[in-house]
Amino acid sequence: EAQVTQNPRYLITVTGKKLTVTCSQNMNHEYMSWYRQDPGLGLRQIYYSMNVEVTDKGDVPEGYKVSRKEKRNFPLILESPSPNQTSLYFCASRSPGTVNTGELFFGEGSRLTVL
Amino acid sequence: KNQVEQSPQSLIILEGKNCTLQCNYTVSPFSNLRWYKQDTGRGPVSLTIMTFSENTKSNGRYTATLDADTKQSSLHITASQLSDSASYICVVTFNTNAGKSTFGDGTTLTVKP
Repeated sequence: EAQVTQNPRYLITVTGKKLTVTCSQNMNHEYMSWYRQDPGLGLRQIYYSMNVEVTDKGDVPEGYKVSRKEKRNFPLILESPSPNQTSLYFCASRSPGTVNTGELFFGEGSRLTVL
Repeated sequence: KNQVEQSPQSLIILEGKNCTLQCNYTVSPFSNLRWYKQDTGRGPVSLTIMTFSENTKSNGRYTATLDADTKQSSLHITASQLSDSASYICVVTFNTNAGKSTFGDGTTLTVKP
């Protein structure tokens, strides 16, 4: 089954304790991206990757890091989490398409709480 | 100001009724517009895609329209069902190498029996 898998789905942590949210896709997509979703603000892009070893900042990259060492995995790293990073996080991969028409396939989300 | 504005913010309708959701955008250069459905606690799922040259596209009870001149799109849901209760998100993609997408804040639809 084609899917994007995120882990963990739920996490409660404390300020300053480094954490990593993993994301893996089995569709051989080149493009992957991370988003956060907050009430009233919709989905905002954190980082995206056009291909292996190619990453770029989205709209809200502060406080986050990513890496893309292999095509299927795109982990999101919070080096020193703060309470304002409490949010619902989604990873997505995009199917290929002409003129950027590819469809985004989203994971099930990771709900992070930073105390 | 968001480059993609959706209205209404929320909507409550009775089962079996029709409804129309709106999306206005200022994104340029425009590549395409997609409507996604997001069930509570789940990731969004694509319903339709509209490119510059398309005016209307249907997917079952969902019909999307696009007016590229006025930069407006609508999603019409016919004969609503309880399972249509969800958030509907309009996503507009730039016509650039990176294909950056801008998301609307969504319309929360509640269908009541």
